[in-house]
Order: sequence, then structure tokens, then C-alpha cells
Amino acid sequence: SAVISQKPSRDICQRGTSLTIQCQVDSQVTMMFWYRQQPGQSLTLIATANQGSEATYESGFVIDKFPISRPNLTFSTLTVSNMSPEDSSIYLCSVVPGLAGSYEQYFGPGTRLTVT
Amino acid sequence: AQSVAQPEDQVNVAEGNPLTVKCTYSVSGNPYLFWYVQYPNRGLQFLLKYITGDNLVKGSYGFEAEFNKSQTSFHLKKPSALVSDSALYFCAVRDRRGSTLGRLYFGRGTQLTVWP
Repeated sequence: SAVISQKPSRDICQRGTSLTIQCQVDSQVTMMFWYRQQPGQSLTLIATANQGSEATYESGFVIDKFPISRPNLTFSTLTVSNMSPEDSSIYLCSVVPGLAGSYEQYFGPGTRLTVT
Repeated sequence: AQSVAQPEDQVNVAEGNPLTVKCTYSVSGNPYLFWYVQYPNRGLQFLLKYITGDNLVKGSYGFEAEFNKSQTSFHLKKPSALVSDSALYFCAVRDRRGSTLGRLYFGRGTQLTVWP
């Protein structure tokens, strides 16, 4: 398994500002993902952030709005830029541990963002 | 297109009774199947997975799930529910793409409430 921490755990931000969310993993992982969970909804994949390559964004998400960094195998950041109330969500970091055949994906505790 | 259906938004059961949370999927080929649980204000916790082999898989907290290929289902079960099992449950499917780890698709979630 993998232990994942996220900072901040929650924040209240004003519209038009930006927030950077940090994700730290206790072991080296190749595959890291960022998800959004809007209130009462399921998880939506924002992007896949593999170390050594540019993040791959899902339909409806763009790099200018959600820039991602992946400087090493244990850390990533997601920035929510020029925020609007529609960005109010829980943002979750997720990883697939490097063990061959494990396949399961682990999630961080999430960052609860409220935009006013 | 890949999809996961959890036909029930809510499941209510009395403590001590058996519980079932339903999941059906539509994925090309043979999928990897997962169940996750989300407690209030927490991230997702991995419960169990089906990769191959025995159709009945056992996971954390006494939960189990049965893979039924002909019905494309992966229902979550527990013989005797506890009040502490009350949470949001997500079914997820990952398609197989040879050596490439495919994307994880989530159902919309089922809120389980266990009454004392």
C-alpha cells in the first residue's frame, strides 16, 4: 500500500485567486493522479501525472486552469487557477504503488476547497 | 465506452442483517474490479479487488464481493452489517490493456446506512 498526505486539508479562497495543493507519498510511485469530487458526486479524473513526462489531462480540464508539477517520484502539486465558485470541490491525489500486479489505487485524504 | 453503474443511490439495512451494494459494469475485455469506501470528510479507502481466480473475493472489515462475468456484476456483500459500516461506497473498474495500466472508472456511489 501507500500512505498519502495532502496539504492543505481544506481552504476557503476568494474568486480569482489560485491555490496550490500538495501531495506527498511515503514511497516512490510512477503513476499519480488528481481527481475532483464535487459535492454529492462521484470522482472525476482531472489528469495523470507521471514523473518525467507532461501531465495528461482529461476532456474538460486544461493545463492553464489546473497546472500540475511532478518533480520527483514522491511528490506532486495541483494548482487551481483563477478560481470561481464552480471550483468548490474536494481534490484528491491518488497513486498506484509500484508493486507488479497490485493494480489497486490508493487515495489521499483530500483537500476540501470552498471558493467564495 | 467504459462505464460503471451503481443502481441504488441509497441502501438502508438494520444492524445484524446482511447487506448488498450492487454494481454492474460495461468494459471491453476482462476488467479489474474494485470497491472503495468513503467515510465523511475522508478520502477513499480500498476495500477489495478482483483481478483473476476465485469469483468470491474477501476484503477489509468483513466485506466480500462476487464477480459474475455473465451478468457483468460485482456486488459488495457483508453477512452482518454494523452501524459503523455506514458510509459512501464506490465501485470501480479498470480495463485491461496488456501491460499498460488502464484508467479507473468509478460508479456514482451508494450511500449505505445501517440502523441500530
